[in-house]
Amino acid sequence: AQSVTQLDSHVSVSEGTPVLLRCNYSSSYSPSLFWYVQHPNKGLQLLLKYTSAATLVKGINGFEAEFKKSETSFHLTKPSAHMSDAAEYFCVVSDRRDDKIIFGKGTRLHILP
Amino acid sequence: DSGVTQTPKHLITATGQRVTLRCSPRSGDLSVYWYQQSLDQGLQFLIQYYNGEERAKGNILERFSAQQFPDLHSELNLSSLELGDSALYFCASSLHGTVNTGELFFGEGSRLTVL
Repeated sequence: AQSVTQLDSHVSVSEGTPVLLRCNYSSSYSPSLFWYVQHPNKGLQLLLKYTSAATLVKGINGFEAEFKKSETSFHLTKPSAHMSDAAEYFCVVSDRRDDKIIFGKGTRLHILP
Repeated sequence: DSGVTQTPKHLITATGQRVTLRCSPRSGDLSVYWYQQSLDQGLQFLIQYYNGEERAKGNILERFSAQQFPDLHSELNLSSLELGDSALYFCASSLHGTVNTGELFFGEGSRLTVL
């Protein structure tokens, strides 16, 4: 069975400092992994996805994530936070065998001026 | 703009009532997914349709039902509403029936308030 754990429900960083949102997954097979972002009163939007190509994945708005199989992690990072990054972020895992996708509980990112 | 349209954006109704939420997928997408988002439960997958047929079922209550029509739009019917059904209901679409290599395109949601 597959599962995904977002280790922090809230993260606060100052504008201009690095962002790290942590995600660990469990999958019995080779997973696909995604990060989605949800701005207030908006739908979810795909930030980036990993589907067995390069382990370092670059997404929109300067975000990237690294797939680490040995650590079963897919942490999301950004070198320098911007006020517009304040949103909720969801880590998602999909098992290619059963084609189900599991959303994490989300991490709310707060940007301090 | 994701290309996925949901109506209505907001809906307020009373317990015991029935409502219908509508979703028009992105042009060309064959799959429609319904999700419920609430503060206590997070984002919960309800059901998926692919080209008019039910493809996968999640945590959908028996009081809820959905269908996808020949023009690929979908409706989610919620009946005998309870206070706990108050939530944001999202529709998402994708080109294929499988999701593991593609992405989902989400609408902006329908916010249901049950009083």
